[in-house]
Amino acid sequence: GEDVEQSLFLSVREGDSSVINCTYTDSSSTYLYWYKQEPGAGLQLLTYIFSNMDMKQDQRLTVLLNKKDKHLSLRIADTQTGDSAIYFCAESIGGGFKTIFGAGTRLFVKA
Amino acid sequence: GAVVSQHPSRVICKSGTSVKIECRSLDFQATTMFWYRQFPKQSLMLMATSNEGSKATYEQGVEKDKFLINHASLTLSTLTVTSAHPEDSSFYICSAGTSGGPSTDTQYFGPGTRLTVL
Repeated sequence: GEDVEQSLFLSVREGDSSVINCTYTDSSSTYLYWYKQEPGAGLQLLTYIFSNMDMKQDQRLTVLLNKKDKHLSLRIADTQTGDSAIYFCAESIGGGFKTIFGAGTRLFVKA
Repeated sequence: GAVVSQHPSRVICKSGTSVKIECRSLDFQATTMFWYRQFPKQSLMLMATSNEGSKATYEQGVEKDKFLINHASLTLSTLTVTSAHPEDSSFYICSAGTSGGPSTDTQYFGPGTRLTVL
């Protein structure tokens, strides 16, 4: 079935790079997304990657996609305390809007 | 662009009452809107998908008579939790899908509504 898995916690020091990993099972995924959720708030779309790409860079964010292994990662360079949040990996499947979310990775940034 | 609002942001109600939550796409027309429920420290669970002018499609296990969804226009969808009980307490998030975003399959999320049923 459709499943998206992520590690639950990541702790880094301010200024270091953070790497959040995600695996998915559906090979028909068209887009893969990273969302950020701050406490008590909705989800903010951070970045996305089309399934025929293997890398996308957007300022401090780098997304790497290994389609063969169905592995997606989000690297945040120069992590700041304001980056502390929950990061959700998600895939859209079937060419439509249906989106499957991972459980979210809680990023703690220590000053 | 692509802003989605929800109202109210927080609501506390007594058991047995009904609560309506509004979801609006402010600067785009959303052909499809989604309602999710999020339990503490858990991911989003899709409850239903609604298309403007038609009946919502509910996910398995979601009671359509308890969670009434209306998508009357391309910018507004409402979720009504009928006869709410304490176990309905949760964070409800809506999202709107648009073909004008970075991808045709991208959803834009509202800020969420925290429902507490006493």
